Amino acid sequence: QVSLKESGPVLAKPTETLTLTCDVSGFSLKNDRMGVSWIRQPPGKAPEWLAHIFSNDKKSYNPSLKNRLTISKDTSKSQVVLTMTNMDPLDTATYFCARIREVRWSPMPFDLWGQGTMVSVSS
Amino acid sequence: DIQMTQSPSTLSASVGDRVTITCRATQHLSSWLAWYQQKPGKAPKVLIYKASTLVDGVPSRFSGSESGTEFTLTITSLQPDDFATYYCQQYNSYPMTFGQGTRLEIK
Repeated sequence: QVSLKESGPVLAKPTETLTLTCDVSGFSLKNDRMGVSWIRQPPGKAPEWLAHIFSNDKKSYNPSLKNRLTISKDTSKSQVVLTMTNMDPLDTATYFCARIREVRWSPMPFDLWGQGTMVSVSS
Repeated sequence: DIQMTQSPSTLSASVGDRVTITCRATQHLSSWLAWYQQKPGKAPKVLIYKASTLVDGVPSRFSGSESGTEFTLTITSLQPDDFATYYCQQYNSYPMTFGQGTRLEIK
């Protein structure tokens, strides 16, 4: 079954570093032309794209958060990891990972999402 | 960054109605726009991509169109399952950006 599942701490303290993991099932991060993004959604607000890792390991970051984000993948574990430094209460949100199929010359939307993991930032 | 302005923010309608949601981009998108439906506590689900291509399995009462930098999602003959929040998203360039959302509620 093709799926994504996020995991990580439910609560983080201000200034801490957050590490989130996206477990991938049903497709290969190594052999399939698939990329994975992290997207967050504060309560009652629109989604915000954070970062993306392509099948060739190229990375792209939202400039508004670039200095705080690192995205990586471990193909042997079928995982995509996001770290976000210097957490703030404004980072409270549900964090999703989502897949993009890579089609030559044709950008594609997010066709598969995880269920999301809620992270609250508070002292 | 490309900004996406979505309207209205809330839309009240009845079962059987036809509704339209609009999204305007600050730059040309070459049709690289998607529409998502989100229900409370769930992840967004893609309905339409490339402005007007319906995802397999999505009912034909959903349709998308574009005119320049303005994009429209139309739902004909609203069904109870359609009451949700809808987002547009541009994937023409990074950073990818979403509209602010339209909450479709039962009148």
